[in-house]
Amino acid sequence: EAQVTQNPRYLITVTGKKLTVTCSQNMNHEYMSWYRQDPGLGLRQIYYSMNVEVTDKGDVPEGYKVSRKEKRNFPLILESPSPNQTSLYFCASAHTGATYEQYFGPGTRLTVT
Amino acid sequence: SQQGEEDPQALSIQEGENATMNCSYKTSINNLQWYRQNSGRGLVHLILIRSNEREKHSGRLRVTLDTSKKSSSLLITASRAADTASYFCAIGGATNKLIFGTGTLLAVQP
Repeated sequence: EAQVTQNPRYLITVTGKKLTVTCSQNMNHEYMSWYRQDPGLGLRQIYYSMNVEVTDKGDVPEGYKVSRKEKRNFPLILESPSPNQTSLYFCASAHTGATYEQYFGPGTRLTVT
Repeated sequence: SQQGEEDPQALSIQEGENATMNCSYKTSINNLQWYRQNSGRGLVHLILIRSNEREKHSGRLRVTLDTSKKSSSLLITASRAADTASYFCAIGGATNKLIFGTGTLLAVQP
């Protein structure tokens, strides 16, 4: 089954404790992206990757890191999480090109206390 | 900002009625996409309309695009309780990047 998986689905952590949210897709997509969703703000792009070893900042990259060492994986790293990073996070993937739909993972609900 | 703005923010209708949601944007686009999100879950792609298209259908969905008014509408006909979800428009440019609106919350009462 074609899908995007994220782990963990739920995470409660404390300020400053490094964490990684994994994202994996099995559709051989070149493009992958991370979003955060907050009430009243819609989805905002954090980072994206056009292919292996090619990553770039989205609209809200501060406090986040990513890597793309393999085509299927695109982990999101929070080196020192803060309470304002409490949010619902989504990973998405697509074939490269403007008119391709994006496939979304199920989401990771992160709470930073 | 290129962000799409949906209208209304929330909509409540009875099963069997039609639901119409609108999306306005501020800049030129390559395409406009609509996604559905069931509560707290991942977004699911519904339909994509290119900037040179005016109308597109998919099952009970009808999307229109008016580039002169920078607006799009999503019509769901004969709605069902299972259509209850949030609906987002997403503005597509020359690359894969999408700018999402804040969504319309649709409640279909059985």
